[in-house]
Amino acid sequence: DAGVIQSPRHEVTEMGQEVTLRCKPISGHDYLFWYRQTMMRGLELLIYFNNNVPIDDSGMPEDRFSAKMPNASFSTLKIQPSEPRDSAVYFCASSLYEGHEQYFGPGTRLTVT
Amino acid sequence: GENVEQHPSTLSVQEGDSAVIKCTYSDSASNYFPWYKQELGKRPQLIIDIRSNVGEKKDQRIAVTLNKTAKHFSLHITETQPEDSAVYFCAVVLSRGNKLVFGAGTILRVKS
Repeated sequence: DAGVIQSPRHEVTEMGQEVTLRCKPISGHDYLFWYRQTMMRGLELLIYFNNNVPIDDSGMPEDRFSAKMPNASFSTLKIQPSEPRDSAVYFCASSLYEGHEQYFGPGTRLTVT
Repeated sequence: GENVEQHPSTLSVQEGDSAVIKCTYSDSASNYFPWYKQELGKRPQLIIDIRSNVGEKKDQRIAVTLNKTAKHFSLHITETQPEDSAVYFCAVVLSRGNKLVFGAGTILRVKS
């Protein structure tokens, strides 16, 4: 298996632009997670899905952030409009079932200027 | 919400020495406690985990101990090597759902 796949690996955009991050979980994994990592706030969970259904989105910063999982093999995290404070590394992770190891993707480094 | 405290924030040891990182948590019903290692510019990767029905688990040079009564767990690395240098995160899965809450991380430097 190729592991969790994320694209793009790097994204540089201007403030106000829309940004879409993409994730393909490991095949057969029922859970998908979106995390954000910054020096100030560490590694924080934004939202997670179980069988394509959002379960907990309490970590989503504000209405500018939205996430979807239209099928078991694809998820997106969208920021519209983007702001400089959104600059961070965004990780997607997946796990087989509840309480099981989470496998992280390589991350997307987002820079908003 | 769940609070996970991790100490120390940085740790420097001499090659061959042991390193210990400690975490405390607040949700007494939590039952899964993984440890992740993150090298510079890389993704977090699981190195060891423990469940609440076990007090200790060992895998070669790394071990994790869990004290459910005191609500703390620790990572122990023996015979440290330069390649152990990284950021280590403890985490706790909340008793409800599958949400992982991470500690702030420990920067481990192994000096050769």
